[in-house]
Amino acid sequence: EDQVTQSPEALRLQEGESSSLNCSYTVSGLRGLFWYRQDPGKGPEFLFTLYSAGEEKEKERLKATLTKKESFLHITAPKPEDSATYLCAVGSNYQLIWGAGTKLIIKP
Amino acid sequence: DTAVSQTPKYLVTQMGNDKSIKCEQNLGHDTMYWYKQDSKKFLKIMFSYNNKELIINETVPNRFSPKSPDKAHLNLHINSLELGDSAVYFCASSSDSAGQPQHFGDGTRLSIL
Repeated sequence: EDQVTQSPEALRLQEGESSSLNCSYTVSGLRGLFWYRQDPGKGPEFLFTLYSAGEEKEKERLKATLTKKESFLHITAPKPEDSATYLCAVGSNYQLIWGAGTKLIIKP
Repeated sequence: DTAVSQTPKYLVTQMGNDKSIKCEQNLGHDTMYWYKQDSKKFLKIMFSYNNKELIINETVPNRFSPKSPDKAHLNLHINSLELGDSAVYFCASSSDSAGQPQHFGDGTRLSIL
């Protein structure tokens, strides 16, 4: 069965304290792994797509990496405005399979 | 210009009523989706349309009926609303039914009294 698991459920960091979020998956026929950011009262905002193991993508303080079983979203020197829920999804057949998200809180 | 727009943003109504949510995308995408996000923030696919044809119809009560008048619009009609229907409903679109990122509207928060 296709499945996506994100950890931790919640993460509190001090401003400037780097860390990583994990997304592990099992899927038959991966058609992309997607990272999104969701702010309260808003829809998920697309961040990255990764298609093959070893691929990396970067955007400002965020860097996403992919292996055959998991993806990491590395956050370097985060700022309070990076606080949000980060969602991971994998493409399978005609749909995305979603994880439950990691709520990230960056304290000033 | 908003890429994926939903109306209304908030919907408060009584149990048993019928209501509709509208969605429009101006991205030129072929595929559109409806999701339900519960209180635990988990996104659950409800329906997917590709070029106005239904391609995903998850286990959703038949009180929910999607309608796609053209590939830029996907509306959701809900009959006989129940307390358990309270949630945030998101519309999304993508250029492919899989393998391409989906772009989301800001959601419709449905509250059943």
